[in-house]
Amino acid sequence: EPEVTQTPSHQVTQMGQEVILRCVPISNHLYFYWYRQILGQKVEFLVSFYNNEISEKSEIFDDQFSVERPDGSNFTLKIRSTKLEDSAMYFCASRSQSGDNEQFFGPGTRLTVL
Amino acid sequence: SQQGEEDPQALSIQEGENATMNCSYKTSINNLQWYRQNSGRGLVHLILIRSNEREKHSGRLRVTLDTSKKSSSLLITASRAADTASYFCATVNRGQNFVFGPGTRLSVLP
Repeated sequence: EPEVTQTPSHQVTQMGQEVILRCVPISNHLYFYWYRQILGQKVEFLVSFYNNEISEKSEIFDDQFSVERPDGSNFTLKIRSTKLEDSAMYFCASRSQSGDNEQFFGPGTRLTVL
Repeated sequence: SQQGEEDPQALSIQEGENATMNCSYKTSINNLQWYRQNSGRGLVHLILIRSNEREKHSGRLRVTLDTSKKSSSLLITASRAADTASYFCATVNRGQNFVFGPGTRLSVLP
């Protein structure tokens, strides 16, 4: 069964460093999302991406964040200068054009900013 | 309350018992979805119920939707230890991104 994959599973970085979180969505999906979950809190929407551009972004997704689909398979989230409060699980999700917006989530990347 | 607010926040039951979790939301929806998250893991889609449906079953799962009360419930029958997880309801806003509630942490004791 096709699935969304994410790498790395765990990333540890120093405050101020740049990180890139990678996702490979399901191959025939056209809509891509990033969410984050701070430990013990709810899952929060960050950004949606369709047709090579951002469709919507939340207040969390400020100038420090960017997304890219560098090729036909990867979907990346970049944090330019990490802050302590960026420590969280980051989930990628994708969905197809049809259907009821059932989103398929990856296993997440745990980002720890020291 | 916020969109997609579940209650209870935590639920502890014995194996074999039924578990019921509730979700309330604020805006109109096209559908509502329930997800499960095992500790430290990703989100697994459980079931989707459309706004014109009132009840839906999938295996041991039963979901109801009351659009007049803007609420949904997830019932897990004959629970197992493997059902221990956090359960989230998610609604879709106009931008088609999910709004998740804080979740219900279910513990099923053997």
